[in-house]
Amino acid sequence: DADVTQTPRNRITKTGKRIMLECSQTKGHDRMYWYRQDPGLGLRLIYYSFDVKDINKGEISDGYSVSRQAQAKFSLSLESAIPNQTALYFCATSLGGLDTQYFGPGTRLTVL
Amino acid sequence: AQSVTQLDSHVSVSEGTPVLLRCNYSSSYSPSLFWYVQHPNKGLQLLLKYTSAATLVKGINGFEAEFKKSETSFHLTKPSAHMSDAAEYFCVVIRMDSSYKLIFGSGTRLLVRP
Repeated sequence: DADVTQTPRNRITKTGKRIMLECSQTKGHDRMYWYRQDPGLGLRLIYYSFDVKDINKGEISDGYSVSRQAQAKFSLSLESAIPNQTALYFCATSLGGLDTQYFGPGTRLTVL
Repeated sequence: AQSVTQLDSHVSVSEGTPVLLRCNYSSSYSPSLFWYVQHPNKGLQLLLKYTSAATLVKGINGFEAEFKKSETSFHLTKPSAHMSDAAEYFCVVIRMDSSYKLIFGSGTRLLVRP
């Protein structure tokens, strides 16, 4: 079984809809991250969490919110989706700040 | 501030020939650098990482990278390309602040010709 899983893997939605992307990990890591990938831009950090009570904004957090329900679960929400949020979204985990980040398989989100 | 620049957006090689993917970094500190690979419709996989130990870092699948401080470079190489190496490759540096976030280059797409 994969250590970092994301659901759904693909989602098509309409402008204005609320969407939740979920991430679960079995690696026992405290740190979890949400990134989005756009062609030619690499990955950019949306939110990160060092533990259940510590959530921080990344460089492109506007229009997104997150919830850390447990050590193993970190959800990303789009309260009112817009077309420029169409992207590939990745969750990642790490043991410590300088440790390797392990990525989930990604969620491809399309907002029409 | 830390940043990385991948010098080629696309690289095309023939199977069996060497691979060179170029990355330059900028960092006020001794950087922690990574190469990740992303195969089509897959997540990102760590190839190798440099954390100020040996300057020549060996990774998975025959890849290696050499940290050259004088040239601020961290180029990825492989002696002989395989068809399965076709993918997108990202050079990455860790931001040395409280976030420890990864800062990604824009990526290099490697095409391997039969």
